[in-house]
Amino acid sequence: DAMVIQNPRYQVTQFGKPVTLSCSQTLNHNVMYWYQQKSSQAPKLLFHYYDKDFNNEADTPDNFQSRRPNTSFCFLDIRSPGLGDAAMYLCATSRARDGRGYEQFFGPGTRLTVL
Amino acid sequence: GEDVEQSLFLSVREGDSSVINCTYTDSSSTYLYWYKQEPGAGLQLLTYIFSNMDMKQDQRLTVLLNKKDKHLSLRIADTQTGDSAIYFCAERGVDSNYQLIWGAGTKLIIKP
Repeated sequence: DAMVIQNPRYQVTQFGKPVTLSCSQTLNHNVMYWYQQKSSQAPKLLFHYYDKDFNNEADTPDNFQSRRPNTSFCFLDIRSPGLGDAAMYLCATSRARDGRGYEQFFGPGTRLTVL
Repeated sequence: GEDVEQSLFLSVREGDSSVINCTYTDSSSTYLYWYKQEPGAGLQLLTYIFSNMDMKQDQRLTVLLNKKDKHLSLRIADTQTGDSAIYFCAERGVDSNYQLIWGAGTKLIIKP
């Protein structure tokens, strides 16, 4: 089945220790998104890739970076995690046409704990 | 700015219909979405409706759109315990290529 896969499902890191979360997709969608979701809140878009074009949201902290080496994979790097970065991180994909993204399909998420 | 509002909780008895409501402010909304999130899981796209439609039905789910009042609803017929989750409403405006505006989510609680 075509899907969005995230690894690991649970990640524990120490304050200030860099961490990388990964996402892969078999949907062959050209847009990939990273969201941060804190408890009982709506997901917050951090950035997205349209093919290789990176688009950062204005309020995404510099501490968060992303890489997309190919269509299938996308990584979220948190350079120096703080306690406030503990959250669920969701990857999503969508197809796009004429510069517009369509419905987004989400992975199961990675729960990040910062000690 | 654009906003999407939902009630935080809805409690229904098993077997009854659930109606989850959403209001939005962006009159240029093109697509409106309903996502379901079970505890500790990602978001599952349930259904979506294009702004030129009034209604969409898919098995137990019925989406109603009142564009004049900027009101969207999701009706779940014969609510089951497996429907217990948080339901998010989201919209995409005509000027937004990728950004969705999300509601805060409605937690659906099923009473036996």
